[in-house]
Amino acid sequence: QKEVEQNSGPLSVPEGAIASLNCTYSDRGSQSFFWYRQYSGKSPELIMFIYSNGDKEDGRFTAQLNKASQYVSLLIRDSQPSDSATYLCAVNLIANDMRFGAGTRLTVKP
Amino acid sequence: EPEVTQTPSHQVTQMGQEVILRCVPISNHLYFYWYRQILGQKVEFLVSFYNNEISEKSEIFDDQFSVERPDGSNFTLKIRSTKLEDSAMYFCASRTGNYGYTFGSGTRLTVV
Repeated sequence: QKEVEQNSGPLSVPEGAIASLNCTYSDRGSQSFFWYRQYSGKSPELIMFIYSNGDKEDGRFTAQLNKASQYVSLLIRDSQPSDSATYLCAVNLIANDMRFGAGTRLTVKP
Repeated sequence: EPEVTQTPSHQVTQMGQEVILRCVPISNHLYFYWYRQILGQKVEFLVSFYNNEISEKSEIFDDQFSVERPDGSNFTLKIRSTKLEDSAMYFCASRTGNYGYTFGSGTRLTVV
């Protein structure tokens, strides 16, 4: 079973819409959850982190965590073409360092 | 804003040669990492380093790989005898606390 799973996409949304990105993880004891954005040929860039169940908002981004369902999501409101990138979910597993999902490619169409 | 610096940005090497990838983590960070990303694939964990020793390594990090923090600022990844399949982007990262890792811009390694 993969440690961190994401739908690889591509996910395509029109400009101004809400983009919803999902991630599940296998280790129930995982404690820290991160969303990174990666543009083609560039390094991952941290967008948000979340530790507690519920929602965490930062500007147009909202991270949602449900530990019972082992599920974390990222919502991007008012999506812009510049948001087009691959979004990586990352999880700190117990006794292990951060592991990444394969990423979801998002395209925001003008 | 503090950043993680990696050099070189691109390295081409002959199969079987040794390469050293260099990183300067953020100065007050205590945990250091190497990840790699083969073109079109996921970011894969290689190794973590804390308190001058390896704290965790993945299956990828075999005897051909080694890490070192020789002088308190640089953090290096050495591949002793490169193979074609070592061609990838190698990312160095560092952190303090648990606020996410800061990644360097990467070194693209091409083994020919």
